[in-house]
Amino acid sequence: AQSVSQHNHHVILSEAASLELGCNYSYGGTVNLFWYVQYPGQHLQLLLKYFSGDPLVKGIKGFEAEFIKSKFSFNLRKPSVQWSDTAEYFCAAEALAGFQKLVFGTGTRLLVSP
Amino acid sequence: ETGVTQTPRHLVMGMTNKKSLKCEQHLGHNAMYWYKQSAKKPLELMFVYSLEERVENNSVPSRFSPECPNSSHLFLHLHTLQPEDSALYLCASSQSSGSGAYNEQFFGPGTRLTVL
Repeated sequence: AQSVSQHNHHVILSEAASLELGCNYSYGGTVNLFWYVQYPGQHLQLLLKYFSGDPLVKGIKGFEAEFIKSKFSFNLRKPSVQWSDTAEYFCAAEALAGFQKLVFGTGTRLLVSP
Repeated sequence: ETGVTQTPRHLVMGMTNKKSLKCEQHLGHNAMYWYKQSAKKPLELMFVYSLEERVENNSVPSRFSPECPNSSHLFLHLHTLQPEDSALYLCASSQSSGSGAYNEQFFGPGTRLTVL
């Protein structure tokens, strides 16, 4: 069965530090990949997505993610985090075969200290 | 009102109660979803409706009963729930492209359910 793994459950960084959150999916076919973010007290919102084309995807608020097909990975990066990036980040994958549905990872809770 | 709205935002119910969660999307989408978000667990897809027909029922207990009267509204009827059903219930919508992929989903704020 398709699954998504996020290896870091909690990450604590100081402002201006660089961020990389890992995401791996376990489906061998074509997938759409997403990163969603949930700020404290707010609803889940899309950060960025990959459907096809350039494997380096840029999203909102300076975030980017790189799709590496050979590694089944879609890691999220930001060169310099801000206190306002404190949130929970969810990776998700949607297989493009059979019945398509979004499968989420367990989430990574990021705390950025000022 | 824009986006995806959910009511109520918080709900406390006893195990013998019957209640309903409501979701409304104002985005003109043709697919709607119910998810369950529990602490330390991935979001669990419960139900999917596409063009008002249920296309996925993810082995959800029968004490949860969805209803989709039109493409803009989705309900989750609850009865005889258990304490382990306490969670955040999220509604989402998307525009199905017709090729099968459901693409980007837009989420509501959720209903925080507590079952006593």
